[in-house]
Amino acid sequence: GNSVTQMEGPVTLSEEAFLTINCTYTATGYPSLFWYVQYPGEGLQLLLKATKADDKGSNKGFEATYRKETTSFHLEKGSVQVSDSAVYFCALRDQSRSMRFGAGTRLTVKP
Amino acid sequence: SQTIHQWPATLVQPVGSPLSLECTVEGTSNPNLYWYRQAAGRGLQLLFYSVGIGQISSEVPQNLSASRPQDRQFILSSKKLLLSDSGFYLCAWSYITEAFFGQGTRLTVV
Repeated sequence: GNSVTQMEGPVTLSEEAFLTINCTYTATGYPSLFWYVQYPGEGLQLLLKATKADDKGSNKGFEATYRKETTSFHLEKGSVQVSDSAVYFCALRDQSRSMRFGAGTRLTVKP
Repeated sequence: SQTIHQWPATLVQPVGSPLSLECTVEGTSNPNLYWYRQAAGRGLQLLFYSVGIGQISSEVPQNLSASRPQDRQFILSSKKLLLSDSGFYLCAWSYITEAFFGQGTRLTVV
């Protein structure tokens, strides 16, 4: 079945470091892809999305490009801040309209 | 604008007791509705999703069931809770693409 695999955490970075969180997917057809973020003590919020191949989603300095050839949607940010500390989830929505999430990656940014 | 309500926020229930968690969506029609569980330190597990009234897809056979008695109402139930049912339960809705989440219910089975 359709699924999402994202890199194991936790990830600890210093402020202003470059961030990459890998995400790959398995799906039939053409799923939509998402990154969600969960800040401490809060619910999930949509961070960015891409609905077709080669689309780039971006928000708050984060970017991810929908790569169909490598079935990937890696999350990147050029310079992380302490306020970016959170759990990040990669997700896909397939033709059945179910939404499946990866296991989540906890990011801690130290000053 | 659309809003999603999920209650209660926290719940402590004894083993063997029943469960009913309710989720309602306002401001949209015929949404897709989802129940997820987030166990401590783990990811989001899709439990059920529904594309319409009375239409429920179950992802993981377990001690839970879901119902959608009205277009914008989604209920998660159990007849007898197990210790392993403890976790953080999240309801979500979507229409075209992304999903929007409720604030979640933290369930502790004791």
